[in-house]
Amino acid sequence: GENVEQHPSTLSVQEGDSAVIKCTYSDSASNYFPWYKQELGKRPQLIIDIRSNVGEKKDQRIAVTLNKTAKHFSLHITETQPEDSAVYFCAASFTGGGNKLTFGTGTQLKVEL
Amino acid sequence: GAVVSQHPSRVICKSGTSVKIECRSLDFQATTMFWYRQFPKQSLMLMATSNEGSKATYEQGVEKDKFLINHASLTLSTLTVTSAHPEDSSFYICSARVPLRDEQFFGPGTRLTVL
Repeated sequence: GENVEQHPSTLSVQEGDSAVIKCTYSDSASNYFPWYKQELGKRPQLIIDIRSNVGEKKDQRIAVTLNKTAKHFSLHITETQPEDSAVYFCAASFTGGGNKLTFGTGTQLKVEL
Repeated sequence: GAVVSQHPSRVICKSGTSVKIECRSLDFQATTMFWYRQFPKQSLMLMATSNEGSKATYEQGVEKDKFLINHASLTLSTLTVTSAHPEDSSFYICSARVPLRDEQFFGPGTRLTVL
């Protein structure tokens, strides 16, 4: 089955700096890669996703890049703000195989003033 | 995005009792829903895939007789934790997939505490 690794487990940045979270996946059949933001005790919220036919996608301060050859994908947050502080999860799925999501282990992002 | 509700948000029960958790898609019909369990400071672990009108598909290591799943309609899936024990205490979250799209949207979760 699919295995997703995520790094770093914790990330502390100064407000206004950029934050980068990286994930690798094992199953070359995976073709859908969403990123979720989860605040303490709350539901995961989809913040951006990318499909395997695209190398990069951007939505305001958030961007995701995908390297299919290396099976890497990364989340980039620019101009970080305190409200960006949360746990971020990457995930991977094969849309032809039931859309089951395999999650990474999560990154606790702390944006300091 | 699509809205998914979950009820109850929090439940405390005695060991040996059964607890039912409901997951509803409010503004779309979901042929597929998923149930996850999340322990403190850990990731989401898929327990089972719930398909409307058919039996759920359980992940390896998840006891189907302990975690009963029913997906009786296109907007409702239920998870029943039978004979709950303290080790079942966790945050249970459902998600629903928007038909013909890849996105999954999550419910707010249910915090289960078994005494």
